[in-house]
Amino acid sequence: QVQLQESGPGLVKPSQTLSLTCTVSGGSISSGGYYWSWIRQHPGKGLEWIGYIYYSGSTYYNPSLKSRVTISVDTSKNQFSLKLSSVTAADTAVYYCARSFNWFDPWGQGTLVTVSS
Amino acid sequence: QSALTQPASVSGSPGQSITISCTGTSSDVGGYNSVSWYQQHPGKAPKLMIYDVSNRPSGVSNRFSGSKSGNTASLTISGLQAEDEADYYCSSFTSSSTYLFGTGTKVTVL
Repeated sequence: QVQLQESGPGLVKPSQTLSLTCTVSGGSISSGGYYWSWIRQHPGKGLEWIGYIYYSGSTYYNPSLKSRVTISVDTSKNQFSLKLSSVTAADTAVYYCARSFNWFDPWGQGTLVTVSS
Repeated sequence: QSALTQPASVSGSPGQSITISCTGTSSDVGGYNSVSWYQQHPGKAPKLMIYDVSNRPSGVSNRFSGSKSGNTASLTISGLQAEDEADYYCSSFTSSSTYLFGTGTKVTVL
């Protein structure tokens, strides 16, 4: 079955760019039919959808984050990535990647990213 | 975009049924049959419980059911069990081709 795994630095300095990668196994991103999403969860808070990408490269972003977010895909590596620029402490959260259609499933285990100097 | 509205907490005794509501607008919940529900235990990733309003993925107990009326979707857990104690989130596709999550509901089994 399809599995997703997030990877990237757990600590990012304020004003820098947060970069995470999601590696997909058990299925191919380029087979189409699904979108690939990033979702975050602030400590003790609810879920926030960040954006998604299709294998072709088309993207949709949360309007509240759109100016700082870039999601890209590397079909040769079966990975998709998140970049969030100009981070502040408010971007400290657990970041999840997930396969999406009209729902999100499966999810990666999540990775905690802390923004601190 | 504002989060979909859910009650902060719902509780019930073992064996009882509880219902969690998820209220949006005609631009999201009311406009699409693309409502899904997620269960999240502490420290774990969310798990899909219901998709497309009322469909259960393989492996999810039939004690979980979903419905929708107008701009409000609902998740019902029947025969409440201790293992159902968790946070629950709804999600909906929107007219902007984006997604919204609900504010989350903590379910407590008394």
